[in-house]
Amino acid sequence: NAGVTQTPKFQVLKTGQSMTLQCAQDMNHEYMSWYRQDPGMGLRLIHYSVGAGITDQGEVPNGYNVSRSTTEDFPLRLLSAAPSQTSVYFCASSYGVAGLSTDTQYFGPGTRLTVL
Amino acid sequence: GDSVTQMEGPVTLSEEAFLTINCTYTATGYPSLFWYVQYPGEGLQLLLKATKADDKGSNKGFEATYRKETTSFHLEKGSVQVSDSAVYFCALRRGGSEKLVFGKGMKLTVNP
Repeated sequence: NAGVTQTPKFQVLKTGQSMTLQCAQDMNHEYMSWYRQDPGMGLRLIHYSVGAGITDQGEVPNGYNVSRSTTEDFPLRLLSAAPSQTSVYFCASSYGVAGLSTDTQYFGPGTRLTVL
Repeated sequence: GDSVTQMEGPVTLSEEAFLTINCTYTATGYPSLFWYVQYPGEGLQLLLKATKADDKGSNKGFEATYRKETTSFHLEKGSVQVSDSAVYFCALRRGGSEKLVFGKGMKLTVNP
């Protein structure tokens, strides 16, 4: 198993550009999520999905869109990048049968994004 | 809302020193508690977890006990190694949800 993979590892954007951060997992996990990590802020939840076709907002969703057309993939879209979105982005997944699972969340290696 | 408060550091220790990282939480009900570790340039990995009061999680010489009376989950290791240099995150997950709430993280550097 490759686990959770993320691409790209690094990205530099100009203000106003759009891009998609890719996340894929090969563990047949239902639950997937996106976090951003900023110095002194820990990790904050952006969006999450409890299964294909189902997504919901987390703590800091503004400026980001997600979709979940397959179990394996959960891309994160920045429609119009802003310097405040400079961060490290992590994707995570788990079996996630809510309320029934205490399963571990597995994290990808992260994407470091800089918006100029 | 749910929240996690932990020591933020950074902390520098000598090899074989004793380590304690404090973590307290605020949550309704009975959350599951976690410690995640992030080594330089990598994603987060689960270090240990506890799912109910008085449970002790342990892994790689690290331990933490779920104390409901003090709403705490402090991480300890008796003798740290250079390879333990990393950022440590305390986190909780409320029952019925998969969402993790993280503390701000603490950077640990261990010198030989």
